[in-house]
Amino acid sequence: DADVTQTPRNRITKTGKRIMLECSQTKGHDRMYWYRQDPGLGLQLIYYSFDVKDINKGEISDGYSVSRQAQAKFSLSLESAIPNQTALYFCATSDSQNSGVGTDTQYFGPGTRLTVL
Amino acid sequence: KQEVTQIPAALSVPEGENLVLNCSFTDSAIYNLQWFRQDPGKGLTSLLLIQSSQREQTSGRLNASLDKSSGRSTLYIAASQPGDSATYLCAVYGWGKLQFGAGTQVVVTP
Repeated sequence: DADVTQTPRNRITKTGKRIMLECSQTKGHDRMYWYRQDPGLGLQLIYYSFDVKDINKGEISDGYSVSRQAQAKFSLSLESAIPNQTALYFCATSDSQNSGVGTDTQYFGPGTRLTVL
Repeated sequence: KQEVTQIPAALSVPEGENLVLNCSFTDSAIYNLQWFRQDPGKGLTSLLLIQSSQREQTSGRLNASLDKSSGRSTLYIAASQPGDSATYLCAVYGWGKLQFGAGTQVVVTP
């Protein structure tokens, strides 16, 4: 079984709808991340969480919110989806005593392909 | 602002040839650099992580070098195989941010 799972894997929705993407991990890691990837571009960090009580904005958090329900679960919500949020969304986890995003190896889920019409 | 560039965007080589993938970054004040492999439908897999104090890292057929002063990293894959076909991304960590390049799509033909 995959260590980092994302649901749904594909989603088509309409402008203005609320969407939730879910991420679960069995690696026992304390850190979790949400990224988006657009064609021809690198990944951009949306939000990250270093433990259950810690939530931080990434570089492109506008239009998104997150919830860390448990150490193993981290959800990303689009409150009112818009077409330019069409992208591939990745969840990732890591486990390190170092500080900061990117100081440790991250393990990625398979991605959710979201299309907003 | 850190900018990470990977050129070329796509590369095709015959099986058995060595692969050389390039990554350049504009700010040399980095903490580490990572190389990832991305397969369709399977997300990203970390291949190698090079700390800023290191010059290279090796894992099997993979070797990554880091030259902070020139803002460059190179990923070498020896004796390429069709299973090496994927997109390879580099990412640098510095100033509290992880910045990804857009990737190089590699096709290894039998």
